[in-house]
Amino acid sequence: DVKVTQSSRYLVKRTGEKVFLECVQDMDHENMFWYRQDPGLGLRLIYFSYDVKMKEKGDIPEGYSVSREKKERFSLILESASTNQTSMYLCASSPPGPPKYEQYFGPGTRLTVT
Amino acid sequence: QKEVEQNSGPLSVPEGAIASLNCTYSDRVSQSFFWYRQYSGKSPELIMSIYSNGDKEDGRFTAQLNKASQYVSLLIRDSQPSDSATYLCAVNMNSGAGSYQLTFGKGTKLSVIP
Repeated sequence: DVKVTQSSRYLVKRTGEKVFLECVQDMDHENMFWYRQDPGLGLRLIYFSYDVKMKEKGDIPEGYSVSREKKERFSLILESASTNQTSMYLCASSPPGPPKYEQYFGPGTRLTVT
Repeated sequence: QKEVEQNSGPLSVPEGAIASLNCTYSDRVSQSFFWYRQYSGKSPELIMSIYSNGDKEDGRFTAQLNKASQYVSLLIRDSQPSDSATYLCAVNMNSGAGSYQLTFGKGTKLSVIP
């Protein structure tokens, strides 16, 4: 079974703090993704990576950065946390395709910024 | 803009009935289609994938794909209260450099009434 793990299930941070969210997958997948999910807005892609040290911006990259130093690990960094970054953060990984682009999600991190 | 559309629901069905969830997508060249189930407060879980026109069955779930109509559906037979969740449709829209991304619908909330 594919396993994607995230470093924390719940996190509370203060405005202005630098926040690190870690994601690890054990299926040797090339592709990894970071999403945030908010009520009524669905899943929104923040960043993705198709190889080690490679990254691409998604739909809402502002205020975020990422790091992928090893194939199995993809980190999301909030440079200076703000209250509008309070959200559920979901990491996913997928094989390179085609046609198998299915993504497997981690359990999510519910981040609250106060 | 490439889109995946789902009726947000809620869709209410009695226990034992067939639940029918629908999804349309905008990109005619899409090749890969997925259904995810998401329980409240949890992350999305992949339940079905379909790549060719027609039906694909897996237990109580049947995915149906009609590429000419740009339409994909999920049927849940003998619905159980445990099927109550939000169902997300996801489509791989071949977009060159980002061809491994999935575009997600906002989901249909299903409620199975005992």
